[in-house]
Amino acid sequence: EAGVVQSPRYKIIEKKQPVAFWCNPISGHNTLYWYRQNLGQGPELLIRYENEEAVDDSQLPKDRFSAERLKGVDSTLKIQPAELGDSAVYLCASSSGLAGGRVEQFFGPGTRLTVL
Amino acid sequence: AQSVAQPEDQVNVAEGNPLTVKCTYSVSGNPYLFWYVQYPNRGLQFLLKYITGDNLVKGSYGFEAEFNKSQTSFHLKKPSALVSDSALYFCAVREGSGNTPLVFGKGTRLSVIA
Repeated sequence: EAGVVQSPRYKIIEKKQPVAFWCNPISGHNTLYWYRQNLGQGPELLIRYENEEAVDDSQLPKDRFSAERLKGVDSTLKIQPAELGDSAVYLCASSSGLAGGRVEQFFGPGTRLTVL
Repeated sequence: AQSVAQPEDQVNVAEGNPLTVKCTYSVSGNPYLFWYVQYPNRGLQFLLKYITGDNLVKGSYGFEAEFNKSQTSFHLKKPSALVSDSALYFCAVREGSGNTPLVFGKGTRLSVIA
């Protein structure tokens, strides 16, 4: 079974430029998560999707961040414009969504963003 | 709101010795508790979880964790450490009832020395 796929793995941009990250979850997983992991910290949830619907985006900085999950499968996270403080690893995870929060999440390798 | 504390940034242990990585949590209801491991340049990998039932949970790669409700702890343990266990370990918690997000600790770096 293929795991969660993310691209690109690394991205270096200058501040004020836009950037986008792509995630393909495990087949059949209807719940998709985007996390941000700052250096020396644990992941922090940015947004959670149940199928196509964003059900928890309270931690997403909506002035510059946006996300979409068309057709309830792949998802894209965008930052426009990027700031120096956005440098972090952006992780995508998915879960089957069954039994509420009892199931574990499966994580992709992440995209390491560096903003210069 | 739920929270997780991993009091040790770094744990060093000799190969073959038992290891413990500590985790304490705070939730208003019943907790769902998870341990994940992260190797360099890779995503988090699930190790084990406590949802309900037996307080001693066994997981991948010989790891286990004990849920202690009175001490609000969920320490990760392994009887005999391997050099390949060296990685970053994260404890996470969410409230069992309701639709709350999974909250992660800051992580503990485990170094197993040959």
